[in-house]
Amino acid sequence: DVKVTQSSRYLVKRTGEKVFLECVQDMDHENMFWYRQDPGLGLRLIYFSYDVKMKEKGDIPEGYSVSREKKERFSLILESASTNQTSMYLCASSSHREWGYTFGSGTRLTVV
Amino acid sequence: GQQVMQIPQYQHVQEGEDFTTYCNSSTTLSNIQWYKQRPGGHPVFLIQLVKSGEVKKQKRLTFQFGEAKKNSSLHITATQTTDVGTYFCAGADYKLSFGAGTTVTVRA
Repeated sequence: DVKVTQSSRYLVKRTGEKVFLECVQDMDHENMFWYRQDPGLGLRLIYFSYDVKMKEKGDIPEGYSVSREKKERFSLILESASTNQTSMYLCASSSHREWGYTFGSGTRLTVV
Repeated sequence: GQQVMQIPQYQHVQEGEDFTTYCNSSTTLSNIQWYKQRPGGHPVFLIQLVKSGEVKKQKRLTFQFGEAKKNSSLHITATQTTDVGTYFCAGADYKLSFGAGTTVTVRA
């Protein structure tokens, strides 16, 4: 089974801190994604990557950046965390751009 | 940009009854996918529909893709307690855009 592993299940950070969320997949997938999930809003795409060192903005990239130096790892960075970035963050990967995604278990981030 | 709307937001179902959740896109899609998220869990891929008018079944779940490839539905028959969760549709148009989901609760 494809496994997408997110480094932390729960995280509490202070306003203004730089936050790194790590995601690793073990099936050699080209494509990786970061979503945030908020009640009533579904999953909103933050950034995605269709190749190593490549990144594209999703629907809500403001306040975030990403890094993909290796194929299996896709990192989400909050440059200066704010309380409105408190959310569940989900990483996903897929073998083809528009095919079924495999999600990680998520990181619930609280910014205080 | 592409928007995917899903209704209803909540579905309260008596065990044994049927229900349907609907998904509509503002643009024509290359495919549509459905995911299920159990309470406390993460979304899990259920199925992908690619062809116009396509219908696929998974046991008690029936998925349909509209003729114009802009809408889809998920119909569940004889609902069971194991069907509890949130069902998301996701439209593919270079990237996936998810609907807000239908959260299903079941009364035994």
